[in-house]
Amino acid sequence: DSGVTQTPKHLITATGQRVTLRCSPRSGDLSVYWYQQSLDQGLQFLIQYYNGEERAKGNILERFSAQQFPDLHSELNLSSLELGDSALYFCASTQTGEMNTEAFFGQGTRLTVV
Amino acid sequence: GENVEQHPSTLSVQEGDSAVIKCTYSDSASNYFPWYKQELGKRPQLIIDIRSNVGEKKDQRIAVTLNKTAKHFSLHITETQPEDSAVYFCAAPRGGFQKLVFGTGTRLLVSP
Repeated sequence: DSGVTQTPKHLITATGQRVTLRCSPRSGDLSVYWYQQSLDQGLQFLIQYYNGEERAKGNILERFSAQQFPDLHSELNLSSLELGDSALYFCASTQTGEMNTEAFFGQGTRLTVV
Repeated sequence: GENVEQHPSTLSVQEGDSAVIKCTYSDSASNYFPWYKQELGKRPQLIIDIRSNVGEKKDQRIAVTLNKTAKHFSLHITETQPEDSAVYFCAAPRGGFQKLVFGTGTRLLVSP
């Protein structure tokens, strides 16, 4: 157990819908990173939050947004869903705002868009 | 660019053989190079990392080497076992170490 909690584990939804993925970082970690992993693909960086503020952005679509709340949990919102958004979404956390130490990953949320 | 190139994409070895996976990065300012292992359907987990002030680091059957001049780093697994079968990702920080850019992954299959 990494200490990073993601909910839900599985999500099936229809095209055009909106979903929210939730991530609670390890206790004491201030930074949350979101990654997308499509089938047989690598990990694509989406966005990073540190202590409530957006720190870095990757190839995140405009239909996607995220935020980090005062209690440090983070939510990734995916709207106007398309079939191609089906993927495993991971969040990871680190203590600092930099990924120069071990990043702890959650178990992921598997999103299936039908 | 932002890419971390990783080779090979798949690697099949017999149990007991060695396996080597290589990565190339582009940002000369990068100074931290982790390797993550992801078993099927599971989360990525750190197995070893190296910082730019050393050229090699070992942990039992796993070692990582770094060539900063050539911007290469490699993962070496000796005496492979079937439980080593997984996808291995290298990574390097980008943008002031505010994100980790991952390689495309190497699927390692160790046959008994």
